[in-house]
Amino acid sequence: LAKTTQPISMDSYEGQEVNITCSHNNIATNDYITWYQQFPSQGPRFIIQGYKTKVTNEVASLFIPADRKSSTLSLPRVSLSDTAVYYCLVGDRGSGNTPLVFGKGTRLSVIA
Amino acid sequence: EPEVTQTPSHQVTQMGQEVILRCVPISNHLYFYWYRQILGQKVEFLVSFYNNEISEKSEIFDDQFSVERPDGSNFTLKIRSTKLEDSAMYFCASSEFRIETQYFGPGTRLLVL
Repeated sequence: LAKTTQPISMDSYEGQEVNITCSHNNIATNDYITWYQQFPSQGPRFIIQGYKTKVTNEVASLFIPADRKSSTLSLPRVSLSDTAVYYCLVGDRGSGNTPLVFGKGTRLSVIA
Repeated sequence: EPEVTQTPSHQVTQMGQEVILRCVPISNHLYFYWYRQILGQKVEFLVSFYNNEISEKSEIFDDQFSVERPDGSNFTLKIRSTKLEDSAMYFCASSEFRIETQYFGPGTRLLVL
């Protein structure tokens, strides 16, 4: 599994757009990029997944440049309830039973 | 939206006792996992389960741990003789095909005294 690097923490005011960047220089051809969110005392929650370019869903957008060595999770107009830890994971989607490897994630604090 | 459920939400036990943590994965999912998270630390993989057998396990998953799918819906994690260091949140997860899209349950907070 490719190693990922992301900031330990970020602060933002309510209503602002937050961009969290993850580096994954050793990403392999078959690897996908997935982001999870975890609130205190809850299980990680899948946010978004992508392979290249841009993916958008009702929660977030994921930007992946052509070289795929990094990715940026974009959260539009954050609210206090977006305060959580965000994890970037990179792995092969081909096999169904490979465990997820979580790093320390990025702790996002949204301030009123 | 279907979800993974876990029971109990909290469990307190004495060191050396056996505990069974229960999970009901999403009904059409084929792959099942247990993870744990010690307070303030990373989420750690314990074991994955597919087709009624263990697919992969971590170093944490030693002989004190076992998993079972006793019927078509439940997936259990048993710790035979709990230790103080087993105190953690235990998360069950399930997935259909795509490994990264694992859906996690709310967790069971285990406290070993």
